[in-house]
Order: sequence, then C-alpha cells, then structure tokens
Amino acid sequence: DAGVIQSPRHEVTEMGQEVTLRCKPISGHDYLFWYRQTMMRGLELLIYFNNNVPIDDSGMPEDRFSAKMPNASFSTLKIQPSEPRDSAVYFCASTQTGRGKGYTFGSGTRLTVV
Amino acid sequence: KNEVEQSPQNLTAQEGEFITINCSYSVGISALHWLQQHPGGGIVSLFMLSSGKKKHGRLIATINIQEKHSSLHITASHPRDSAVYICAVNRFGNEKLTFGTGTRLTIIP
Repeated sequence: DAGVIQSPRHEVTEMGQEVTLRCKPISGHDYLFWYRQTMMRGLELLIYFNNNVPIDDSGMPEDRFSAKMPNASFSTLKIQPSEPRDSAVYFCASTQTGRGKGYTFGSGTRLTVV
Repeated sequence: KNEVEQSPQNLTAQEGEFITINCSYSVGISALHWLQQHPGGGIVSLFMLSSGKKKHGRLIATINIQEKHSSLHITASHPRDSAVYICAVNRFGNEKLTFGTGTRLTIIP
C-alpha cells in the first residue's frame, strides 16, 4: 500500500492566486481528514468526510476555503484567493471505521503564500 | 484550558535514558493516539489505545481511563527518537482528533 498520497509536496504562490491541494486516501478507508499545522496553532482540523460526504467543516477558516471529495479515492482542498496567513503545512489523513489501527497521514503539503 | 494537555513541552535526554511523556485529557474518549513527527517530516501513528498497554519495539504506551491519563515510554533512547510526540483523542462518537500541543524530544548522543 502506497499510503496516503498528497500533492504537491511544496507550493509557493503569490497572494491572491488560487491554490489546490490534492489527496488520495488509502483504498478502503471511509474517513478522510484535512488538517492544517502552524507553529502558532499546532494541528487543526479543517474538514472531514465520511463515505465522500462532508461531516464537519467547522474548522474551515472562511469562504476562501473549500473542499471536495468527488469519489472514494480523491479529495481536494482549494484556497481562493490565497493570503500570506494561509502559509502552513496541510496534511491529509484517512482511517477506516472499526479497524482499530489509527490514522494514516500523508506527507503534507507545505504552502507558502508570498 | 485545552482538552488535551501534554507534559513536558520540551525534553532533552542522553542517549540510553528511559523517557516518559505524559498526556492528560478532560473529556470522555473512545480512543487515544500517540503520533510522532520528525523535524520537517510527516506524521506517523505510533499507537491507538482504548485501554491497557501496548508495546512496539522500544516504545510502550499505557492508558488509565479512570484517571484520564496516558503515558508514552521510550526505553534505551536513541538520537533517531528525536521528534515531536503528539497525543490526540477521539471524543465519544466522533472520528475527528483533538490534539495536544506536543512534546519536543531531543536525544543527545
């Protein structure tokens, strides 16, 4: 199993540009999570999906952020327009209900907005 | 007050020492997780606990549900154990994780 795959690994963009982060969860996992990590705030949940349906998006900072999961093997997190304060590492993670083996995290996308 | 508290925040030790990192939580949980993050690296799940004790190599994790407390122990510590260790919990009926602030461990050769 290749694990949770995120792309790109690094993204540098100018303020105001649209940014799209991508995630492929582990096959068979029914939960997918998007987290953001910053020095100031640590790890924060942005949104999570169950069976491709958004369950809790209360962590999404504002309307500039949106996430989709069109199928069980792909999710996107979009920021439009991007701002310097969005600079962070964004992690995707997946898990399977009742498996009792915890979460698998992707390698993260380091986003820098200049 | 955070729902998940870790101590210490930073820990420096000599290679070979026995390490203990503590986690206390204030909510009802269905599971507790210990995660590891190396500098500039990804996040790896070490343990998922709902009761008792688990062991993997030199790492041991314990949980006391009544006291709402968990510990992560590292025996015969090694410089490659240097990382941030994060405690996280699932509240009852909730798959999302609530994180502690992490413990930065540095093992000196």
